[in-house]
Amino acid sequence: TQLLEQSPQFLSIQEGENLTVYCNSSSVFSSLQWYRQEPGEGPVLLVTVVTGGEVKKLKRLTFQFGDARKDSSLHITAAQPGDTGLYLCAGAGNSGYSTLTFGKGTMLLVSP
Amino acid sequence: DAGVIQSPRHEVTEMGQEVTLRCKPISGHDYLFWYRQTMMRGLELLIYFNNNVPIDDSGMPEDRFSAKMPNASFSTLKIQPSEPRDSAVYFCASSPTGGYTEAFFGQGTRLTVV
Repeated sequence: TQLLEQSPQFLSIQEGENLTVYCNSSSVFSSLQWYRQEPGEGPVLLVTVVTGGEVKKLKRLTFQFGDARKDSSLHITAAQPGDTGLYLCAGAGNSGYSTLTFGKGTMLLVSP
Repeated sequence: DAGVIQSPRHEVTEMGQEVTLRCKPISGHDYLFWYRQTMMRGLELLIYFNNNVPIDDSGMPEDRFSAKMPNASFSTLKIQPSEPRDSAVYFCASSPTGGYTEAFFGQGTRLTVV
């Protein structure tokens, strides 16, 4: 079983601060996705990273896939209240019938 | 497209009753997934279908849970009999090309069994 550990579990910060959340595993993934889930809604895909060492930017969000494709990080610059939500990472295995394995998520609260 | 549509949004039922959750996937998506989300266990895959055929139901907790997909536009997840420990948010998701590609989630059904 491939497990994804996310840290921290909870993060409460003030508007304008920077933050990084982590997604770690002992398993290698063929790709890794980051989702954001707002209260009362389903998760929505933010980004997919595929190549070891890959870095992707989405406005103030920077995503990095580890060189060994076992871990990933999400960095948010100058956080805003609209960034509040549950951030989930999900890894895909290498088999043809692979499905996504989700971490438990990091709950981020950004206060004005 | 309206996205993945789930019903009901909220369900409160008594222990022992049958519960049926419904899902309409995005048109043209070949894969449909049922997930359960709790604080303790996070988002767990229960079962998924490819072209209406169940592929992997190893995540279904026990025989009280069953899922069907009679056609490409409709799926149900049934719990009979329901128990308080089944209380959770149940999500349906669909994907166009594979179990490992982007999943499009519905808004979920919050189930409370009292």
